[in-house]
Amino acid sequence: GAVVSQHPSRVICKSGTSVKIECRSLDFQATTMFWYRQFPKKSLMLMATSNEGSKATYEQGVEKDKFLINHASLTLSTLTVTSAHPEDSSFYICSARVHRVMNTEAFFGQGTRLTVV
Amino acid sequence: AQKVTQAQTEISVVEKEDVTLDCVYETRDTTYYLFWYKQPPSGELVFLIRRNSFDEQNEISGRYSWNFQKSTSSFNFTITASQVVDSAVYFCALSERTDSSYKLIFGSGTRLLVRP
Repeated sequence: GAVVSQHPSRVICKSGTSVKIECRSLDFQATTMFWYRQFPKKSLMLMATSNEGSKATYEQGVEKDKFLINHASLTLSTLTVTSAHPEDSSFYICSARVHRVMNTEAFFGQGTRLTVV
Repeated sequence: AQKVTQAQTEISVVEKEDVTLDCVYETRDTTYYLFWYKQPPSGELVFLIRRNSFDEQNEISGRYSWNFQKSTSSFNFTITASQVVDSAVYFCALSERTDSSYKLIFGSGTRLLVRP
């Protein structure tokens, strides 16, 4: 299957700092990428849908200014957690769909475990 | 609104037992897609199957099989002769055609523990 690479896999940052997470589709073009958040022993909660070249669409309750999403190319989307706080500690995972091929499965990155201290 | 319910929070079985993971969905769309993903302790999501709403044929892949019943809005997943390596969290997910992004809405997951 297609490969989605997410980096870093783990990151620890201090409260008040910002951290950027990258999501790359390595062997395909992804018009749309999705960002999910997962709390321990919980399901994946969709945070936002990222479309190449346009603004991301955020789900209700997700702070746009807190979680900045950029999708500058068909192979890269980034999520920046700004002014991180301990409650932002979570597992963040991205997924991507193949460009112009509808209803393929979404390929997922390996996830990023963020710990804010 | 679309919704996916996985009523079984945790299941524990002994190796070689068969186990069925339940998934019930809600959607107003006539065209939709159902998925199952496996999340091992390492965290990555592993795609298992995609099924569209027009294909009610059951599917078997090795020890895995899926039963899609539109009449009951269910898409259950059975593992035959379970193995310790099957221990993971399994998610059922739904994607509607009316949502142009085809975003996935996940169920709450079922944690499967297969004991030796």
